[in-house]
Parts: sequence; C-alpha cells; structure tokens
Amino acid sequence: ETGVTQTPRHLVMGMTNKKSLKCEQHLGHNAMYWYKQSAKKPLELMFVYSLEERVENNSVPSRFSPECPNSSHLFLHLHTLQPEDSALYLCASSQGGLAGAYNEQFFGPGTRLTVL
Amino acid sequence: GESVGLHLPTLSVQEGDNSIINCAYSNSASDYFIWYKQESGKGPQFIIDIRSNMDKRQGQRVTVLLNKTVKHLSLQIAATQPGDSAVYFCAENLGGSNYKLTFGKGTLLTVNP
Repeated sequence: ETGVTQTPRHLVMGMTNKKSLKCEQHLGHNAMYWYKQSAKKPLELMFVYSLEERVENNSVPSRFSPECPNSSHLFLHLHTLQPEDSALYLCASSQGGLAGAYNEQFFGPGTRLTVL
Repeated sequence: GESVGLHLPTLSVQEGDNSIINCAYSNSASDYFIWYKQESGKGPQFIIDIRSNMDKRQGQRVTVLLNKTVKHLSLQIAATQPGDSAVYFCAENLGGSNYKLTFGKGTLLTVNP
C-alpha cells in the first residue's frame, strides 16, 4: 500500500452520466495530482493541487472538473464524457508541492473508467 | 521541448539474469529522475531516484545510472525474479519548484522461469 487510496476501482458510465472519482492520501502530503493513463501512451498530467489550490490545468476538457476540499482529498467530477475518455485515472500525492525540491510522487491504484 | 522516451518497449529475460532498461531524455535542464514500476492492476510504484549531481545510485538489487553527456538513464535489476515482471517507467523533473514529472511510455519486462 502506498498510502493513497482511490474509489471506485472500476467505473462504467454512459456519455450522459455524471460520476465522481475520489482520492484520499494518508501521507500528510500537501500536493495532489490527477493523471490519465491510456494504453501505450505516457502518463498524462491533468491537474495539480498544491495546498488545496489548483496550480496546473494541463489543457484538460471542461467535462473533467477537479475539486480539492482539503489537502487529503481530491475528486474528479465527470460529466458528458466521450468513449475516448476511457482510461485508467491515477491519483498521486507528494510532499513539498511547489516548494519541494525533489518530487517523488506516490500513486494510488487508479480507477479503470469505461465510457460507453 | 521536454521528452522522455525508452529505447525498447519490451524486454524478456530469464530468471536470475540481470536486466537493463534504458531511457533517453532530451531536457538538459532536468535535474531529478525517477524510475517507477507498474504491475498489472496497480498504480506506479517508486523504485529509485537519482539527482543530476550523481552518476550512479544503488538500491536493493537495483542500480540507476545517469549519463548526462548523452542524456541517458538506465535501470539495472540484478538477479531478476518473476516478481519483477512489470512495466517500468522513467520520469524526469526539473527540480527546484517544478512539480511536473514527464514520463516515458514504459518498458514491459517479462521474466521467464
């Protein structure tokens, strides 16, 4: 266990549904991340929160909406997704965030999302 | 621009052999590098890191080598075991206040008994 949990582990949704992914870290970190992992592609950074403030929105479509209510929790709200959004969505956390000199990130197990 | 890539997408070795996984990077300003291991159904797991002021770093059964001259990073796994079968990613970071990691596509390591 890395200290980062994600729920649900699997999600199937239609294009008109609204769902949310949840991430929780138990490591006392102050930065949290959402990544998208598609087959045969590098991990794509989506969003970064440092001290609960969004510091990166990596050209992600507005149908993905992040929320960080506190330093331990991160959500990804999903609505009107497309089939090409099917992927593994990974959450990570790190110590230091923007102030960290070396940025080892701890990953959760991911949510396998399928959009029908 | 930044890019991190891998020379080989797959690597198959016999149990007990040593494995070498390679990674090329293009950003000469990158000063921190990480190797991650991702097993099927799991998120990436930290293996070892190295800072740009070092050429070599050793862990338990793993060694990372950094050649800044040719912008090359490698991960060596000694006495490879079936449990080492996974996808291995390298990632680079500019360090300092930069929180962004740039990942390579990954190499699938298969260990044959």
